Amino acid sequence: KAGVTQTPRYLIKTRGQQVTLSCSPISGHRSVSWYQQTPGQGLQFLFEYFSETQRNKGNFPGRFSGRQFSNSRSEMNVSTLELGDSALYLCASSLEQAARADTQYFGPGTRLTVL
Amino acid sequence: AQKVTQAQTEISVVEKEDVTLDCVYETRDTTYYLFWYKQPPSGELVFLIRRNSFDEQNEISGRYSWNFQKSTSSFNFTITASQVVDSAVYFCALSEAGGNNNDMRFGAGTRLTVKP
Repeated sequence: KAGVTQTPRYLIKTRGQQVTLSCSPISGHRSVSWYQQTPGQGLQFLFEYFSETQRNKGNFPGRFSGRQFSNSRSEMNVSTLELGDSALYLCASSLEQAARADTQYFGPGTRLTVL
Repeated sequence: AQKVTQAQTEISVVEKEDVTLDCVYETRDTTYYLFWYKQPPSGELVFLIRRNSFDEQNEISGRYSWNFQKSTSSFNFTITASQVVDSAVYFCALSEAGGNNNDMRFGAGTRLTVKP
């Protein structure tokens, strides 16, 4: 069974640009959660999608958005990039919503650098 | 507001020692979920355990065990007979369950180094 894949693995953007990151969950998984990891703020939860609906949301500005497609693949978008958005973005998939799932599987992450 | 505190920033032990990682949380919800994750040097997060607030049973999985105590708002993680491969950063997290659009909060993490 293929694991969780994230594309691209590395990305360099400049301030003001927008970026779209993709996450393909394990086949059959309906939940995708997104997290941001930075040295300063640590690990932070962005949002969770389940069956194409956003179910949970962290405390991030509206510049951060996401969506989930009918095949459970998810994308997250960050508009008007700021230097502080430089981070490792992780996604995880699970059969059920993360809070009820027996386990979650994480992807390798996308390292975003904003110049 | 929910909060997770991992007071131990770094712990260093020698192989085969037992080690306990502390996690203290704050929440006003009566229904919530607690998690532990491991992040080895490779960087990829690994899910270890989820526990809901109604289940205070301790959990044991091989060399890993978890002690959940609502009375002290703690969810501590013990590794018995530690091994070098246990070296990683460990994160505790809390997710409240009331309504929709719940946030999830992580502790700052505890870096565990197991020396041979």
